[in-house]
Amino acid sequence: DTGVSQNPRHKITKRGQNVTFRCDPISEHNRLYWYRQTLGQGPEFLTYFQNEAQLEKSRLLSDRFSAERPKGSFSTLEIQRTEQGDSAMYLCASSLRGTGGYTFGSGTRLTVV
Amino acid sequence: GNSVTQMEGPVTLSEEAFLTINCTYTATGYPSLFWYVQYPGEGLQLLLKATKADDKGSNKGFEATYRKETTSFHLEKGSVQVSDSAVYFCALLIGVGNEKLTFGTGTRLTIIP
Repeated sequence: DTGVSQNPRHKITKRGQNVTFRCDPISEHNRLYWYRQTLGQGPEFLTYFQNEAQLEKSRLLSDRFSAERPKGSFSTLEIQRTEQGDSAMYLCASSLRGTGGYTFGSGTRLTVV
Repeated sequence: GNSVTQMEGPVTLSEEAFLTINCTYTATGYPSLFWYVQYPGEGLQLLLKATKADDKGSNKGFEATYRKETTSFHLEKGSVQVSDSAVYFCALLIGVGNEKLTFGTGTRLTIIP
């Protein structure tokens, strides 16, 4: 068990470009979550999967954001036409029973210039 | 709605000092409560949790007691170490089926030798 893995660790992109992040959860975990953390704030919920089904999306997840979890394994989060306000740490977490004892990855830090 | 209010930081203490980080919450229903810790450059790690009133969570010398009457979950440690320097997040989760953690804004703790 290597924990939750996120790639890349850092991404710098120009405004208007598309970016994609990957999350590999703990293999036995059927639940996968994406959160966003801006500087000086706590993480904010974006979306959640149970197996391959995306069960809930936050209002924070505009139509420029899309997340997938094909085959209920790894997940990708894509941001199209990035804006400076998208600069943040994007955190992925997984769990088995959804009791809140998530395992978080180290995050992907996105900087939009 | 649900929310978590944390003591504002940063907090700076000398090694071996007593630590308290205040956390209060507002929730509909009966939440589970959590403290997460984020060390520099790392993801969030679950520090401790409590799932019902009067429960005490403890780990690595840290403790927090779920106080329903004061809607609080203050984090305490009797003697802090330099290695405790990190950002601490209080969080809550409501009920079965609601998989979203709601976080406070975090409290940055720095311990000086």
